[in-house]
Amino acid sequence: DTEVTQTPKHLVMGMTNKKSLKCEQHMGHRAMYWYKQKAKKPPELMFVYSYEKLSINESVPSRFSPECPNSSLLNLHLHALQPEDSALYLCASSPPGLDHGEKLFFGSGTQLSVL
Amino acid sequence: AQSVAQPEDQVNVAEGNPLTVKCTYSVSGNPYLFWYVQYPNRGLQFLLKYITGDNLVKGSYGFEAEFNKSQTSFHLKKPSALVSDSALYFCAVRDMDTGFQKLVFGTGTRLLVSP
Repeated sequence: DTEVTQTPKHLVMGMTNKKSLKCEQHMGHRAMYWYKQKAKKPPELMFVYSYEKLSINESVPSRFSPECPNSSLLNLHLHALQPEDSALYLCASSPPGLDHGEKLFFGSGTQLSVL
Repeated sequence: AQSVAQPEDQVNVAEGNPLTVKCTYSVSGNPYLFWYVQYPNRGLQFLLKYITGDNLVKGSYGFEAEFNKSQTSFHLKKPSALVSDSALYFCAVRDMDTGFQKLVFGTGTRLLVSP
């Protein structure tokens, strides 16, 4: 299995809703990432988990709450989002060792629309 | 801070012709450089990386990149373009200020290969 699987593929939510994005990989990778990509823009790093511990938080607003329950699973909990949070949310993972953090494997993303 | 610049929003090339997608970098210290490709409605896919060694790096799908220290460039090349190469290409650099896990992406270059 060489895939990073993200669910759902599309999500529409209101500003008062609570929702979660899910990401899963079974490649034995020990680093997992959340990126945010606005239309026609490059991906921007949000969070990094390394060995299930949060290692990087790029000053992301608290309405985004990451969680890494185990080495294969990464969640992003969403609450009280704003319309400007509408974007493609990409999950990625990378293997341990010399390539740790260098070669990222991306999922197809969750296209989020906040109304 | 580490950064990369992609001066062209779009590159057009005819199928069978060579292609070049440009990237310049600005880093303190030795650069760790990458190319990723993004197809519509998909996550990013790793193409190749330069860490050290030969200035010509070979990657996936017949792509290669030439590292030029004097010109601070890392251009992506392919000898003969295919229509299926049409996609969005991102150059990236490892942000050494925040450790090995953060990649900073350029603004992307859309490659259109015409039949």
